[in-house]
Amino acid sequence: AQKVTQAQTEISVVEKEDVTLDCVYETRDTTYYLFWYKQPPSGELVFLIRRNSFDEQNEISGRYSWNFQKSTSSFNFTITASQVVDSAVYFCALSPGSNDYKLSFGAGTTVTVRA
Amino acid sequence: DAGVIQSPRHEVTEMGQEVTLRCKPISGHNSLFWYRQTMMRGLELLIYFNNNVPIDDSGMPEDRFSAKMPNASFSTLKIQPSEPRDSAVYFCASSPTGVSGNTIYFGEGSWLTVV
Repeated sequence: AQKVTQAQTEISVVEKEDVTLDCVYETRDTTYYLFWYKQPPSGELVFLIRRNSFDEQNEISGRYSWNFQKSTSSFNFTITASQVVDSAVYFCALSPGSNDYKLSFGAGTTVTVRA
Repeated sequence: DAGVIQSPRHEVTEMGQEVTLRCKPISGHNSLFWYRQTMMRGLELLIYFNNNVPIDDSGMPEDRFSAKMPNASFSTLKIQPSEPRDSAVYFCASSPTGVSGNTIYFGEGSWLTVV
């Protein structure tokens, strides 16, 4: 069985601060895929990134960066110089290689960026 | 490119009424998913279709729920009769197939309130 844990329920920061969202996962599969999704106040789920278990390179996309560490089963997400528009719920998710349609979500972290 | 399109965006209905949620997946995507999001249970997979065929409906809560995919560009999720505990956001999502770990793209959700 797969499990994704996002221990931080809520994070509140002031604009321009950096914020890091933690994600820890459990799986018995050697091949798996990790995702981050953003759910802004309007409610839609927006895909941010996908990583496969064989690619531990960190990734940067604009103000977003992701740190994947297999040794600690973590896939953390950092928003640099946060903006009010970053306010949203962020979900980490895992898809096992054996049944790749089974996307398991964490509980989500609510990020509030204050002006 | 059009994303996953869901309708209605919002629905308020009385207990006992039939509810039908509709979804048009991204063109060319062969996999379609229905998810439900609640505060208590988070995001959970209800049913998964591949090439219009239901592959896994183990997440469908009970017989009151049914889903169909009559063709590659349309799916419905029906609740009959509806109950207040069915109040949730229902997401439709789609994904291309053929490659493991494909990204699942979500619609904007249908916000259902049963009173």
